Amino acid sequence: DAGVTQSPTHLIKTRGQQVTLRCSPKSGHDTVSWYQQALGQGPQFIFQYYEEEERQRGNFPDRFSGHQYPNYSSELNVNALLLGDSALYLCASSPAGTNYGYTFGSGTRLTVV
Amino acid sequence: KQEVTQIPAALSVPEGENLVLNCSFTDSAIYNLQWFRQDPGKGLTSLLLIQSSQREQTSGRLNASLDKSSGRSTLYIAASQPGDSATYLCAVKSRRNTGTASKLTFGTGTRLQVTL
Repeated sequence: DAGVTQSPTHLIKTRGQQVTLRCSPKSGHDTVSWYQQALGQGPQFIFQYYEEEERQRGNFPDRFSGHQYPNYSSELNVNALLLGDSALYLCASSPAGTNYGYTFGSGTRLTVV
Repeated sequence: KQEVTQIPAALSVPEGENLVLNCSFTDSAIYNLQWFRQDPGKGLTSLLLIQSSQREQTSGRLNASLDKSSGRSTLYIAASQPGDSATYLCAVKSRRNTGTASKLTFGTGTRLQVTL
């Protein structure tokens, strides 16, 4: 049973560009969340998608946007990239409901130069 | 606002030692707490999930406890091995968040090195 898969694994972009990261949740999971992890820090919540709608959002600017498809896969888009957007971006999935834990993917390492 | 703190930030122990990692959180209104392992530059691997109604969970050499009223959790690792070297993160799922599946709030982790 495949877990959470993310693509690409690494990405280098130039300031001002736009980037799209992709995530396929674990089989049976319908809720997808995205986290940003800077070096040496814990992951920070960006937003969560369920039933193709953004349900919760963390303290991130509108440059960060997302989408969820009917098959539950999800995308994270970041516009007008800044050097400070360089981080590991993690996707996590879970079944809907409060008692479940999260399964995380291997992440996408984004470097903005 | 939920805040999660992990102590110590880093720990180095010789192989074979038993060790305890600490996690504290400020708001006891949680659904559950999850411990993760992270190898350098990699994603998170879930180790243990403790529901708010539980006191502890065990998996192999790992044992996690939860004292919700005091806002504390500990991860006990028995007979440590060099392969246990990694960063250990705890995360809580708070009740005060909205949404179908509430967000996780993470600590900054404990970086563990087990030496030969």
